[in-house]
Amino acid sequence: AQSVTQLGSHVSVSEGALVLLRCNYSSSVPPYLFWYVQYPNQGLQLLLKYTSAATLVKGINGFEAEFKKSETSFHLTKPSAHMSDAAEYFCAVSDGNDYKLSFGAGTTVTVRA
Amino acid sequence: GAGVSQSPSNKVTEKGKDVELRCDPISGHTALYWYRQRLGQGLEFLIYFQGNSAPDKSGLPSDRFSAERTGESVSTLTIQRTQQEDSAVYLCASSPRLANTQYFGPGTRLTVL
Repeated sequence: AQSVTQLGSHVSVSEGALVLLRCNYSSSVPPYLFWYVQYPNQGLQLLLKYTSAATLVKGINGFEAEFKKSETSFHLTKPSAHMSDAAEYFCAVSDGNDYKLSFGAGTTVTVRA
Repeated sequence: GAGVSQSPSNKVTEKGKDVELRCDPISGHTALYWYRQRLGQGLEFLIYFQGNSAPDKSGLPSDRFSAERTGESVSTLTIQRTQQEDSAVYLCASSPRLANTQYFGPGTRLTVL
């Protein structure tokens, strides 16, 4: 079984500052890892995914995440926050052969001008 | 092409009534998934379809919940005798095949009074 823990339900950053969202997972098999973003009143949009290729994954909108097996982590970062990054972010894991994603509880990002 | 669509976008019902939620997946996607998102929580997996077959229904919260899918197209999630704890956003996703990236619809917000 897989599970995900997102540290921090809310993160507030200044425009132009680093965005760091933490995600730790547990999985009995090599995991597939995902970050999704949910803007208000919209569905989830895939930011990026890790599927056992390069450990540093680049996604859309300037986001990237690094898979660290030793730390069972898949933290999401963006060097410089933009006002449009205000949204809720979900980390998810699957075992690659499974049909379902296990999601974290989500982290809401607010960006201060 | 068009993304995943869901209807209605909002549904308000009285406790004890039955509701039907509809999902139209991306054309050609064989796999379809239903998730539930309660306020302030992550997504819970409910059920998935491969074609019109639902091999695993263990995520459904109770026997009041059921789902069906016509071929590789539309799916309907039915909740009978709704309860207040059923209030949530119900999200549908589809993918070209199992264990592939899931593309989410905008969700149906269900409110049970």
